[in-house]
Amino acid sequence: AAGVIQSPRHLIKEKRETATLKCYPIPRHDTVYWYQQGPGQDPQFLISFYEKMQSDKGSIPDRFSAQQFSDYHSELNMSSLELGDSALYFCASSLEQGVGETQYFGPGTRLLVL
Amino acid sequence: AQKVTQAQTEISVVEKEDVTLDCVYETRDTTYYLFWYKQPPSGELVFLIRRNSFDEQNEISGRYSWNFQKSTSSFNFTITASQVVDSAVYFCALRQDSSASKIIFGSGTRLSIRP
Repeated sequence: AAGVIQSPRHLIKEKRETATLKCYPIPRHDTVYWYQQGPGQDPQFLISFYEKMQSDKGSIPDRFSAQQFSDYHSELNMSSLELGDSALYFCASSLEQGVGETQYFGPGTRLLVL
Repeated sequence: AQKVTQAQTEISVVEKEDVTLDCVYETRDTTYYLFWYKQPPSGELVFLIRRNSFDEQNEISGRYSWNFQKSTSSFNFTITASQVVDSAVYFCALRQDSSASKIIFGSGTRLSIRP
């Protein structure tokens, strides 16, 4: 079965640079979620989109922005990168955004900021 | 307040032993879902199970079983006859009606299975 695709899988950036992470949800899934997992931490919710509209917002820094496109893929844009942004970034998708829908996670993008 | 507590930070057992991972949750919602995810060393998050707040039936899937008890707000996960491939970090998670988008994760339990 098709899974969530994230690209790139690994990314190395310098401080103050920008980065764009991409997420392609499971076919027919219309809801996308972004999570950040720091080293040794549990994943923290950043933001979600349902039918191309932002549906919820968590602890996402103002330096980050995201959007969902007409084909339901999503991009997380990160600017003025800081050392503390080094983390594993997960995208998840679900069929609709209801509380009962399972979020299926992609393999993650490992971002290292030097 | 909503919270998921996994008190066991690390567990190490010998292969073929049974092991139970504890999970205690807090929520004021009457409608919520509980999940378990597995994160192997490769890093991906693998969905294992979903249970809604109105269904307290225990579930068994092969060597895995889950015990949901609303009276104690617990959703424990047992691996029977553990194998080395079960070594991973296991996260218990909560998704509640009042904040439907986000999943709240516990801090995870690192399970090591020794051959």
